[in-house]
Amino acid sequence: GNSVTQMEGPVTLSEEAFLTINCTYTATGYPSLFWYVQYPGEGLQLLLKATKADDKGSNKGFEATYRKETTSFHLEKGSVQVSDSAVYFCALSDAGKSTFGDGTTLTVKP
Amino acid sequence: EAGVAQSPRYKIIEKRQSVAFWCNPISGHATLYWYQQILGQGPKLLIQFQNNGVVDDSQLPKDRFSAERLKGVDSTLKIQPAKLEDSAVYLCASSLGVGTAIRTDTQYFGPGTRLTVL
Repeated sequence: GNSVTQMEGPVTLSEEAFLTINCTYTATGYPSLFWYVQYPGEGLQLLLKATKADDKGSNKGFEATYRKETTSFHLEKGSVQVSDSAVYFCALSDAGKSTFGDGTTLTVKP
Repeated sequence: EAGVAQSPRYKIIEKRQSVAFWCNPISGHATLYWYQQILGQGPKLLIQFQNNGVVDDSQLPKDRFSAERLKGVDSTLKIQPAKLEDSAVYLCASSLGVGTAIRTDTQYFGPGTRLTVL
């Protein structure tokens, strides 16, 4: 079956630090890949996505590249802000079925 | 545009009782999902509807869970009887497309219903 593995958290960074959250996947087909974010007190929402190999998704300064050869979709941001504190979920959609990772909690301190 | 609505937001019940959750998806969205999110884990898909037909319910514990989507719009998820391990947040999501378009679609999530089974 399909699975998504995220780096274990929580992650604590100082403001303006570089962020990487690792995500690797296994899939029987050719999935689309997503990062969803959940800010405190809010529901899950899409952060970015990529639908084919070598595509780069980007939004709000975050980026992730679909790497088929390493089955990875790592999330990066060059300079995090306190407002980026949230839980980040990597997910895939394969043949219409969605699989989520367990989430990584990011805390950014001023 | 109105988002995905869910009710109730919180529910506390005793084990062996029954409970029902309601979801109203974004208008025009053909696909509706119910997820179970246990504390510290990611959402796990329970059931997926396209319009009013079930596409995937392979992870739905059918001996106690049931779901329906009325006229391809609103949906209810029921648990009867509830067990302690059913304590979780139940998320409803919707997306626009059907068929192969689902692969690339963004899912829009509701605020969830937090269920506590005592």
